[in-house]
Amino acid sequence: NAGVTQTPKFQVLKTGQSMTLQCAQDMNHEYMSWYRQDPGMGLRLIHYSVGAGITDQGEVPNGYNVSRSTTEDFPLRLLSAAPSQTSVYFCASSYGRGSYEQYFGPGTRLTVT
Amino acid sequence: AQSVAQPEDQVNVAEGNPLTVKCTYSVSGNPYLFWYVQYPNRGLQFLLKYITGDNLVKGSYGFEAEFNKSQTSFHLKKPSALVSDSALYFCAVRDATDSWGKLQFGAGTQVVVTP
Repeated sequence: NAGVTQTPKFQVLKTGQSMTLQCAQDMNHEYMSWYRQDPGMGLRLIHYSVGAGITDQGEVPNGYNVSRSTTEDFPLRLLSAAPSQTSVYFCASSYGRGSYEQYFGPGTRLTVT
Repeated sequence: AQSVAQPEDQVNVAEGNPLTVKCTYSVSGNPYLFWYVQYPNRGLQFLLKYITGDNLVKGSYGFEAEFNKSQTSFHLKKPSALVSDSALYFCAVRDATDSWGKLQFGAGTQVVVTP
């Protein structure tokens, strides 16, 4: 199994540009989520999904969009990039909610200039 | 609302000495508690979790954690630290009554183990 994969690994955007961060998992996990990691702030939840077609907002959803058309894929869209979105983004998945641990991808380092 | 506090930004320990990383939490219902480790330029890796049962939980790489309900704490411990344990450690909590299962992370504690 490849686990959780993310592309790209690095990205530089100009303010106002849009892009999609890709996330895929091959473990047939029901639950997927996107986090951003900023120094001293831990991981903050952006959006999450409890199954195909079902998504909800996390702690910091503004400026981001998600959809989940398949169990495997959970892309994160930046609608109009801003410097405040410079961060490291992690996708994670788990078998279900509740007591299940999450498996994390390797991350995407995004810089917005 | 749920929250997690990791009171130490950094913990310094000599190799061979005991290592403790502190975590306290707040949830409305019963907690599910997790520890993750992050090595430089990598994603987070799961170490261990407390769901129910024994208060002492054993996990990967010789780590263990003690759940204390009265103190709402879940401290991570290792009896003898290795230089390779140097990494960023995150505590996380999920409210067992939260049907959406959202996970709340602490800010992280940098562990530095010196030879």
